Amino acid sequence: KAGVTQTPRYLIKTRGQQVTLSCSPISGHRSVSWYQQTPGQGLQFLFEYFSETQRNKGNFPGRFSGRQFSNSRSEMNVSTLELGDSALYLCASSPGRLTDTQYFGPGTRLTVL
Amino acid sequence: AQKITQTQPGMFVQEKEAVTLDCTYDTSDPSYGLFWYKQPSSGEMIFLIYQGSYDQQNATEGRYSLNFQKARKSANLVISASQLGDSAMYFCAMRPFYTGTASKLTFGTGTRLQVTL
Repeated sequence: KAGVTQTPRYLIKTRGQQVTLSCSPISGHRSVSWYQQTPGQGLQFLFEYFSETQRNKGNFPGRFSGRQFSNSRSEMNVSTLELGDSALYLCASSPGRLTDTQYFGPGTRLTVL
Repeated sequence: AQKITQTQPGMFVQEKEAVTLDCTYDTSDPSYGLFWYKQPSSGEMIFLIYQGSYDQQNATEGRYSLNFQKARKSANLVISASQLGDSAMYFCAMRPFYTGTASKLTFGTGTRLQVTL
């Protein structure tokens, strides 16, 4: 089975722009979660989608949003980028039960200038 | 709210030796899962091992084992016969299983393991 894929792998944007990141889960997985990883804050949960519905949300401002499509692929969007949004954004998929292990993709490294 | 504590920012171990990475957690949820992930410098988080809170036996996966002490709320990762390729960041994580809580995967700050010759 192919693993979780994320595109693009690297991205450079300037302040004020918006960005969309994409995540394709492992085939058959219905849950997709997003995490932000920075040196200062570590790994922080952004949101989780299951069957096209947001199941859980972390403590991030409304500039961070996401969605999931009927094929379980997910996108996250960050509007009005700030310097502090520079981070590694990791996507993880699982079959869908809370007890299931989450498997991560390679991440998208976003740099905001 | 749940919290994961990893008190060892960095560890060194010689090749072929065993090493223990510490993890303690705090949760009021009666049912939860504990996970360990490895993150090489490439950035990808690699799942290593899982332990359910009601599992009677400690989990093992090849060279990885989890020393689970529920009363102490600790879930230490033991890597036997270390290899150079084990050099990476290691994260302990936990997720409660009750849907009524904010059920998310919470990570510790990580331990950087360096395997030497």
